[in-house]
Amino acid sequence: NAGVTQTPKFQVLKTGQSMTLQCAQDMNHNSMYWYRQDPGMGLRLIYYSASEGTTDKGEVPNGYNVSRLNKREFSLRLESAAPSQTSVYFCASSPGTDYEQYFGPGTRLTVT
Amino acid sequence: QKEVEQDPGPLSVPEGAIVSLNCTYSNSAFQYFMWYRQYSRKGPELLMYTYSSGNKEDGRFTAQVDKSSKYISLFIRDSQPSDSATYLCASRLFTGANSKLTFGKGITLSVRP
Repeated sequence: NAGVTQTPKFQVLKTGQSMTLQCAQDMNHNSMYWYRQDPGMGLRLIYYSASEGTTDKGEVPNGYNVSRLNKREFSLRLESAAPSQTSVYFCASSPGTDYEQYFGPGTRLTVT
Repeated sequence: QKEVEQDPGPLSVPEGAIVSLNCTYSNSAFQYFMWYRQYSRKGPELLMYTYSSGNKEDGRFTAQVDKSSKYISLFIRDSQPSDSATYLCASRLFTGANSKLTFGKGITLSVRP
């Protein structure tokens, strides 16, 4: 089992460019999450999907959109990147919202 | 005020020391408490998971929750250089579709050989 995989590992964007971060899990988990991690700020929830077909906003959703493509895949899209979105992005999954979360290796994004 | 506050650190200790990592939380409805460990440039991984008050032990690690004072602690005995990582505490409500994790900011621990 690969667990939670994320692509790409690194990305540099110019202000205003768009991109999609991909996440996939092979654990048959129902719930998936997107976090960003910034120095001094900890992990902050961007969006989550409690089950296939549903998505909800987290603590910091502005500037992002998500798609739960199927049970395995949950993507995060930046429509018009801003320097404030420079961060490390983590995807996570869990069997349900009441269970522990398993994290991917992260995507390091720099917006210049 | 964040719902989960964590000592900012960083923390540096010699090998073999007993380490105490602490968090406080403000939401009295939190029922589940977790500690995640994150090695440099990796994703967090679940280390300990406790429900309500009390202690839970796993090898050299002990997680302690005191709901009366809203205090969460992680103790590491006989610390090793391999314990050098960032430790994040997290809490969540009992149950529900919107039962999301709330994380502390994390504390970076360095264990010196």
